[in-house]
Amino acid sequence: DAKTTQPTSMDCAEGRAANLPCNHSTISGNEYVYWYRQIHSQGPQYIIHGLKNNETNEMASLIITEDRKSSTLILPHATLRDTAVYYCIVRVVVGGATNKLIFGTGTLLAVQP
Amino acid sequence: KAGVTQTPRYLIKTRGQQVTLSCSPISGHRSVSWYQQTPGQGLQFLFEYFSETQRNKGNFPGRFSGRQFSNSRSEMNVSTLELGDSALYLCASSLTGGDGYTFGSGTRLTVV
Repeated sequence: DAKTTQPTSMDCAEGRAANLPCNHSTISGNEYVYWYRQIHSQGPQYIIHGLKNNETNEMASLIITEDRKSSTLILPHATLRDTAVYYCIVRVVVGGATNKLIFGTGTLLAVQP
Repeated sequence: KAGVTQTPRYLIKTRGQQVTLSCSPISGHRSVSWYQQTPGQGLQFLFEYFSETQRNKGNFPGRFSGRQFSNSRSEMNVSTLELGDSALYLCASSLTGGDGYTFGSGTRLTVV
């Protein structure tokens, strides 16, 4: 079962910041939050991940609340090419060394011109 | 560096047939995972292989199987195909399975 909750869809104006929320209220202390996105009919693309500190890379910023029960992915200047389904994932560790990604339904971000 | 390569990109099979899909991970990556994506169920984990051993398996029937070779390349097989097996099958590789995943573009399987 997915351990995250995201809005089904969001709109954003081109050039503006896109803020995508995610709730993960049952996250464990050693579980990371990952964000992926999927453009239609392509494989998911890694964006960013974090444990408890805010993270930033060339694509986005990840803000995780102090209690770690929610996070926000920020695309600082959205472009039309950022239109995609964005998945917030809590990385599940199974059997110690093994891992799998449990995808929820994601958020369809539509960037409007 | 080359990404994750999945072949073939598209496949059409008839009910009852079997199919084999191939995945070549990024060079040096030892973990390969497989996912099924359908409009109704979304992205679902199938299984993960690491150093030729299946480490984890999702909730799929035994008709779905896989293997990994010594060069880390992986194949998945679906036997006795059903219409519901029509899906995009995605492969993802990572160094150890405990770090970031890189996905391939997938194989779109249509069962008629």
